[in-house]
Amino acid sequence: GENVEQHPSTLSVQEGDSAVIKCTYSDSASNYFPWYKQELGKGPQLIIDIRSNVGEKKDQRIAVTLNKTAKHFSLHITETQPEDSAVYFCAARGRLGNQFYFGTGTSLTVIP
Amino acid sequence: DSGVTQTPKHLITATGQRVTLRCSPRSGDLSVYWYQQSLDQGLQFLIQYYNGEERAKGNILERFSAQQFPDLHSELNLSSLELGDSALYFCASSVAPGSGAQETQYFGPGTRLLVL
Repeated sequence: GENVEQHPSTLSVQEGDSAVIKCTYSDSASNYFPWYKQELGKGPQLIIDIRSNVGEKKDQRIAVTLNKTAKHFSLHITETQPEDSAVYFCAARGRLGNQFYFGTGTSLTVIP
Repeated sequence: DSGVTQTPKHLITATGQRVTLRCSPRSGDLSVYWYQQSLDQGLQFLIQYYNGEERAKGNILERFSAQQFPDLHSELNLSSLELGDSALYFCASSVAPGSGAQETQYFGPGTRLLVL
């Protein structure tokens, strides 16, 4: 099955700085890559996603890039704010059905 | 609020017992997914249903089973519980398992299971 690796596991940035989280996947057939934000005591919330026919997607302060050849994708958050503090998960969709394989998560702390 | 509901929010039980977790998908979503989140294993896909039929199976133990009913709600049954089954169990739903916008999965708030 698919194997997704995520780095770093923890990340602290000053408010206003940028944060970058990187993921790699193993199955070249994966074609959909969502990113989720999980706040304490809540379920994962989709923040942005990208499909394999696109190299980059941006939504306000959040952007995702995908390099299919290298099989890695990254989340970029600019002008970070304290409310961005949460655990972020990357995922890749498996070959069968529509199940997601998740990375191990990055705990982001934005220091005011 | 994703529109996916899960009950109960918390569940405390003893080893050897059986519990049932319930999930109602977003209105219009036909596909339901179950995930287990534990500290050492992260978010693990368990099983997927689409319109009442099992669609894909992941790392689901034989002691666990699930079903999706005609009204599209789903139940995850966990039996012969062990201490290691303590985790957060999430349900997610999507319109369909296909491609495009229909594949986006929306997660519920989860059920926290504690096995003592």
